Amino acid sequence: AQSVTQLDSHVSVSEGTPVLLRCNYSSSYSPSLFWYVQHPNKGLQLLLKYTSAATLVKGINGFEAEFKKSETSFHLTKPSAHMSDAAEYFCVVRGATGGTSYGKLTFGQGTILTVHP
Amino acid sequence: DSGVTQTPKHLITATGQRVTLRCSPRSGDLSVYWYQQSLDQGLQFLIQYYNGEERAKGNILERFSAQQFPDLHSELNLSSLELGDSALYFCASSVDLADTQYFGPGTRLTVL
Repeated sequence: AQSVTQLDSHVSVSEGTPVLLRCNYSSSYSPSLFWYVQHPNKGLQLLLKYTSAATLVKGINGFEAEFKKSETSFHLTKPSAHMSDAAEYFCVVRGATGGTSYGKLTFGQGTILTVHP
Repeated sequence: DSGVTQTPKHLITATGQRVTLRCSPRSGDLSVYWYQQSLDQGLQFLIQYYNGEERAKGNILERFSAQQFPDLHSELNLSSLELGDSALYFCASSVDLADTQYFGPGTRLTVL
């Protein structure tokens, strides 16, 4: 079975400073990994996805993530935080191709990002 | 706006009651998924459908059932409601099982 662990439940940064949200995955196959963002009282929006192409994935709003197989990590970064980035971020892994859970998304517990002026 | 619509936005009901949540996928999407988000359990996969057929089940209670209709919209039925069923219920859709899932705005269910 696949799983993801988000290493920080809360991250606080100042506006204009870098953002790092950490995620480790566990999977017995080459995983498909995603980052979704949830703003307060809103639905989930896809930030970026990794599906075994380039290991450095660029997403929306200046976010990017790097797939590191040796470290089983998929950390989300942004060079400069903006106030509008304040939200909850979820690292997600998708069920294996052809398996009974194919298509099923497994979510991490979420990281709440706070951005201070 | 993801193109996935869910109704109603909010639902307040009493224990023991039954409710139906509705989801319309993005145009062209054949797969529909239901997820539950609660404070204690986080975001959990409930069930998925592809072109009207159930494909996988997750942590879905026996009191809950779902279906996908010929026009591809889906309904999640929750019965004999308990206080612990209060949560945000999301629907997502994708072209097929390998494609990215796009989420609706959710239905917030409150059981009193």
